Amino acid sequence: DTEVTQTPKHLVMGMTNKKSLKCEQHMGHRAMYWYKQKAKKPPELMFVYSYEKLSINESVPSRFSPECPNSSLLNLHLHALQPEDSALYLCASSRLGQPGYNEKLFFGSGTQLSVL
Amino acid sequence: KQEVTQIPAALSVPEGENLVLNCSFTDSAIYNLQWFRQDPGKGLTSLLLIQSSQREQTSGRLNASLDKSSGRSTLYIAASQPGDSATYLCAVELNFGKGTSLLVTP
Repeated sequence: DTEVTQTPKHLVMGMTNKKSLKCEQHMGHRAMYWYKQKAKKPPELMFVYSYEKLSINESVPSRFSPECPNSSLLNLHLHALQPEDSALYLCASSRLGQPGYNEKLFFGSGTQLSVL
Repeated sequence: KQEVTQIPAALSVPEGENLVLNCSFTDSAIYNLQWFRQDPGKGLTSLLLIQSSQREQTSGRLNASLDKSSGRSTLYIAASQPGDSATYLCAVELNFGKGTSLLVTP
């Protein structure tokens, strides 16, 4: 199994809603990532979890709250989002999350989020 | 912060042509570089990973090279097909370039 599964595939939410994005992998990877991608732009790193601990937070607004319940699951909790937060949210995983290793990134198909 | 640049931004070629996509990066102290393919509105599919100790990697019609000292990588696609039409992204560790949008016409 070399898949990273993201749910839901599409999400429409109002600015007062609370929602969560989910990501799951069963490759035994110990690092998981959230990226945000606006249309026709490159993916931008948001958060990195390594061994279930948050290791990188790229100064993302607090209305985005990541959670890593175990090594296979990664959530992104959303609250009071703005229309400019509409984007494709991508989850990825890699074996260890440490530089110097063969850290191939495996991506899910993403959640297309629209904030109204 | 590592800056990753890809040229050209867009490329249109007739089917059957060989083509080269370019990626450059500002900090040569890298561990690996990865090439991805992305179809519109979809996730990223890994094509090739080159570790810093390697000079090139090959998979089928794809060949990626790495020159750390000059901060450059190229992705060579042989005998292009319409199914190759997509955006190709270069990533140096966790930092992505803006991609090259490729269109292969029948």
